[in-house]
Parts: sequence; C-alpha cells; structure tokens
Amino acid sequence: GAGVSQSPSNKVTEKGKDVELRCDPISGHTALYWYRQSLGQGLEFLIYFQGNSAPDKSGLPSDRFSAERTGGSVSTLTIQRTQQEDSAVYLCASSLGGATDQYFGAGTRLSVL
Amino acid sequence: KQEVTQIPAALSVPEGENLVLNCSFTDSAIYNLQWFRQDPGKGLTSLLLIQSSQREQTSGRLNASLDKSSGRSTLYIAASQPGDSATYLCAGPKFSSGSARQLTFGSGTQLTVLP
Repeated sequence: GAGVSQSPSNKVTEKGKDVELRCDPISGHTALYWYRQSLGQGLEFLIYFQGNSAPDKSGLPSDRFSAERTGGSVSTLTIQRTQQEDSAVYLCASSLGGATDQYFGAGTRLSVL
Repeated sequence: KQEVTQIPAALSVPEGENLVLNCSFTDSAIYNLQWFRQDPGKGLTSLLLIQSSQREQTSGRLNASLDKSSGRSTLYIAASQPGDSATYLCAGPKFSSGSARQLTFGSGTQLTVLP
C-alpha cells in the first residue's frame, strides 16, 4: 500500500471490554512496531516484529496487552479487560529493516469510558 | 538504554524567522537519529534520518545535525512559515547494539509560527 494503514481511527469502549487494533504495514516492510502516545507520557514503545523472529515484547505494560503479526504483514494489537489508563493513541510503524526510516500510520485513538 | 530530551517544550516565533530545535541523548553510541513532525490528531511524518556516520542531513528548508560526542542533535528550520506549526519529535534507537531498533522519543517541541 501507499502507507501504513491503521483501523479503526477512533475507538470508544467501556471499561472491562476487549479491543483489537489493526495495522497494515507498507508492502515489503519486514519490521513492524507498535507505540503508544498518552497525554503527559509521550510516545512509548510497546512491541516490535522483525521478519520471522520472535517479537520483542519488552514494552508491553501488562499481560492484558498482546500482539500478533500474521503472514509477516498485518498486525493486531489486542487489549483485554481495558482500563481507563489504556486511553491513548496507538501508533503503528513499519520499516524495510531495523536500521532504516520508520513510517508511521495515523494511529487509533482509544477512549476507555 | 537511550534517553532522549527536547528543549524547549514549546516555541513561538514570527513568520520568516530561522529557528533551531534541540535534542539531546544519553548514549553516544547512537545508531541513528530521526526527526519527526506531528500535526494535531495525526500520526508522525518522518522529516530527516541521520545515520551515526553522518553529521547532517538536509531537506528543503530543514537541516538536521548530529554530534555524537556531545550527545546533541539540532533541527534548523529556515524562513519559517505558519504551515511549519506542529510538534517536532526526535527519536533514537532504544539500544545502541543488536538488531532491535525500537525508538525512544523525546517529549517534543510544540512550534507555533505566527503569521
């Protein structure tokens, strides 16, 4: 595709519900990253996929967060039993490899009521 | 582990002025440094990427420099325009070695260019 695509662009959910956020990286990009941007917290790394290697999950804030990447392309970030502090913009990025420019999607704005 | 700091948090300048945004980092073995722009409610747009072997990169009115020894990078914007108003973020890889390249971001500088 022309760029990194994320869906939905906005998601409002009730506390305790599960949500799934989707990321379509740029075609051919082997690396995919998830970040979270919270008010007052700035941008923080969540998880990183590179090719067929095991993902680096070191940034996931709790075990309620998980992500998968199917077929080396589309990725889904799942948040279980959402809490109000999960409210943030979730950004996905992809790159040709770990050393090159990261290209970001427009993000999914998650609001947990 | 890399830490990135940006000062000032906000900057307001009249149109036409040249300006410099500052970024500092703690690990001088930084692999590369990337400058982004973020408009309200939007994602990040990559502006410039400087590899560790480079000292600067230029794109149009933008020039970014990298000084690894002092742990500093600057983004110079020439002849600023109201359309340059946005938040500017710098970021470097979280770790200086290994294959992982997840980015550590500064908190950003919110730039307003007044017409």
